[in-house]
Amino acid sequence: GESVGLHLPTLSVQEGDNSIINCAYSNSASDYFIWYKQESGKGPQFIIDIRSNMDKRQGQRVTVLLNKTVKHLSLQIAATQPGDSAVYFCAETPNSGNTPLVFGKGTRLSVIA
Amino acid sequence: SAVISQKPSRDICQRGTSLTIQCQVDSQVTMMFWYRQQPGQSLTLIATANQGSEATYESGFVIDKFPISRPNLTFSTLTVSNMSPEDSSIYLCSVVVSGTGLYGYTFGSGTRLTVV
Repeated sequence: GESVGLHLPTLSVQEGDNSIINCAYSNSASDYFIWYKQESGKGPQFIIDIRSNMDKRQGQRVTVLLNKTVKHLSLQIAATQPGDSAVYFCAETPNSGNTPLVFGKGTRLSVIA
Repeated sequence: SAVISQKPSRDICQRGTSLTIQCQVDSQVTMMFWYRQQPGQSLTLIATANQGSEATYESGFVIDKFPISRPNLTFSTLTVSNMSPEDSSIYLCSVVVSGTGLYGYTFGSGTRLTVV
């Protein structure tokens, strides 16, 4: 399939370890943030989201942290599995549902079995 | 949720020609967007497809190069005109269903365009 993220920063982690992927955003007016996972040959898939009135949100094996002071977002994946290997993007928008998403640069996660 | 069908899924085109990409959604949606993803890079917004009126383009994208139609609330097309090798990218359609959550912003699987 089409290669995605060949030139993106790469994070390599051992299977079973925790992964932390970071993202800096620039728009202080952003109100809504999403993490997406993109596998080769596919469109972005929703992982987890968070609103600006929260600083932490947990899902199944994933946690998103938001630091509005420094405009920083992180995605934590617990017990990383080979199936987690993909490119991860953060995205933001100032008015969820009414304005388009702006995407961050992306990080390629490579899980070593 | 909304299911997005994008056609074609991939194509190889000659420079100087044009390609029209279709985005069909299985339910009515208010917001539709077109993105470009150049090789090894992130997604960049091309335009917001407005139903019944001209699309709203982002800086660096113009209607003559990327004409967009949106005749109704379930369908849109993006044309890549007078193509050059620099237009080789993945083009993605995105829709907003509920605004937030798993069914908030949804993406099609993309059209992989190679211009030779």
